[in-house]
Amino acid sequence: KAGVTQTPRYLIKTRGQQVTLSCSPISGHRSVSWYQQTPGQGLQFLFEYFSETQRNKGNFPGRFSGRQFSNSRSEMNVSTLELGDSALYLCASSLPGQEKLFFGSGTQLSVL
Amino acid sequence: AQTVTQSQPEMSVQEAETVTLSCTYDTSESNYYLFWYKQPPSRQMILVIRQEAYKQQNATENRFSVNFQKAAKSFSLKISDSQLGDTAMYFCAFSVMNNNAGNMLTFGGGTRLMVKP
Repeated sequence: KAGVTQTPRYLIKTRGQQVTLSCSPISGHRSVSWYQQTPGQGLQFLFEYFSETQRNKGNFPGRFSGRQFSNSRSEMNVSTLELGDSALYLCASSLPGQEKLFFGSGTQLSVL
Repeated sequence: AQTVTQSQPEMSVQEAETVTLSCTYDTSESNYYLFWYKQPPSRQMILVIRQEAYKQQNATENRFSVNFQKAAKSFSLKISDSQLGDTAMYFCAFSVMNNNAGNMLTFGGGTRLMVKP
């Protein structure tokens, strides 16, 4: 069974631009969550989607948004990029009602 | 809100020896999960071990075991017979046990473990 797939692996953008990151969960997993990892703030929860609905949201500005499609694939979007948005963005999926998360290898976003 | 603290930013251990990584947490919840995740240079977070708070017995997975002290809100990870492949960042994490509320992990700051040959 394929693992959680995140694309692209690396991304370079400039301030003010917007970016879309993609996450394909493990087959059968309907919950997808996103985390931001930075050296300064560590790992922080962004949001979680289940059956195309946002179920939980972390403490991030409205520039960070996401969505989930009917096939459980998820995208997150960051608009008006700031230098501080440079981070590793990790996606994780899980089975319904299961607490065990399976993570992808992340997308490394650099904002110049 | 929950907080998770890992007081050891870096640790090293000789191959084949035993090392213990510390983690403390703070919560007002009574039902929750605790986890240890490993993040090697490949960046992928890998679940090492998990503990349900209602279980008194400490979880064990092969060379990995935990010392869960609920009253003290402490959750340490012991790695026995350390191997070079154990070199990685280790994160302690917490989630509330509520299937209907989804999964939302709170992570500690991490401990960088280096296993020396």
